[in-house]
This record gives sequence, structure tokens and C-alpha cells, in this order.
Amino acid sequence: NAGVTQTPKFQVLKTGQSMTLQCAQDMNHNSMYWYRQDPGMGLRLIYYSASEGTTDKGEVPNGYNVSRLNKREFSLRLESAAPSQTSVYFCASSVLAGETGETQYFGPGTRLLVL
Amino acid sequence: RKEVEQDPGPFNVPEGATVAFNCTYSNSASQSFFWYRQDCRKEPKLLMSVYSSGNEDGRFTAQLNRASQYISLLIRDSKLSDSATYLCVVNILSTGKLIFGQGTTLQVKP
Repeated sequence: NAGVTQTPKFQVLKTGQSMTLQCAQDMNHNSMYWYRQDPGMGLRLIYYSASEGTTDKGEVPNGYNVSRLNKREFSLRLESAAPSQTSVYFCASSVLAGETGETQYFGPGTRLLVL
Repeated sequence: RKEVEQDPGPFNVPEGATVAFNCTYSNSASQSFFWYRQDCRKEPKLLMSVYSSGNEDGRFTAQLNRASQYISLLIRDSKLSDSATYLCVVNILSTGKLIFGQGTTLQVKP
């Protein structure tokens, strides 16, 4: 039982390049999330998927797209990377979004540097 | 104004000390509350939920004051291994989202 896994762990991109961050969970959770974490800003929600087949914008969706490929996998795509997207990206999952007492489980993160 | 506010610290305390962190939230529709712990360059992990009546887990005590919209975390008998960043988190039930504070950094010194 690996929990939440993310690939890659590190990535360096040039401005304008594209890439996809992969996330998978093996806990049979319905809801999945993508966050970015920047110094002094805390974790900010980019996109989330309350259940398979649905996705919704979070607080900072501009410049990103997501795909809920199936119940296990939720990918985040940067179509044209910008230096402002340099950050640590965390994927998370939970049994069901919005439940009282709901716990989110996080992956180990992807550290992205955009030059 | 941020939805969840924390003093970023750092709090530097000696081993064995008692330390308390506070957190305020702005949305009165917040339904559930948590403290997460994040070690340096690692992912956040749930430390404990915060219940209206207050709750304790070993050396850790969490309190909620809905009238004043703040949450607290008390750590007794601090250990070196308690050094981490503590994230205050609220869940606004109608939105299905967690809102994270920026975290409070604790350094426990020998």
C-alpha cells in the first residue's frame, strides 16, 4: 500500500516548455487534489476532483489543466511553464470531499524549477 | 485578509518546554478543523483533528473557540523530534475544500 505517489520528484524546465505531473493513489479514495506550496504562502489549491469524472478550479488555477484519468490517477499539466510556476507541488486524496473530519493524504511532492 | 492566519515564528524552545500556537480563521462557515505537521522538505501529515470540546493526544492538546474563531495547539514536554512546521487547517463543508494556514515553525533545542 503505497498511499499517494507522485512523479517526477524534481524537474527543471525552461520558460515555455510543457510538462505533466503525475499522481496516483491506491487507497480507493474518491477525491483528489493538486496544491502548490510557496514560501510564506502556505498550501494553495490549484484544482480538485471530488469524484471520478469531475474536476473543479481551486484558488490558483491559471496556467494549469488537470485530468482525472480514472479513480486512481489525477494529472496536472503545465502547457507553457513560467518562472512564477516555480514551486513545490503536492497531490492529495481523501475518501470524500467535504465530509466533516475528512483527512487528506499527501504525496511526497514534486519540486519544479522554471528558468 | 487571509482566511486562515498563523504566526509563522520560528518558535525556538528548549527540550521539555511547553509551547502553544494559535490560529485564527475568518469564515464563520468553517465546519471542521485540523492540525497538520510538515517536516522540512516533506509532505504534510495529519497531526490531529480539533473537536469543539477540545481534545488531547498524548503531549498534544487542541482547542477550538468558535465564538472567537480561533484554534490552538499546545505541546507539552517538547522533544527534539517535535521540530517541524505546524499547519492550521479548516474545512468549509459546503465547498469540500481545506484551507491551509501558512504554518508555524517550531525548533526545539537541546
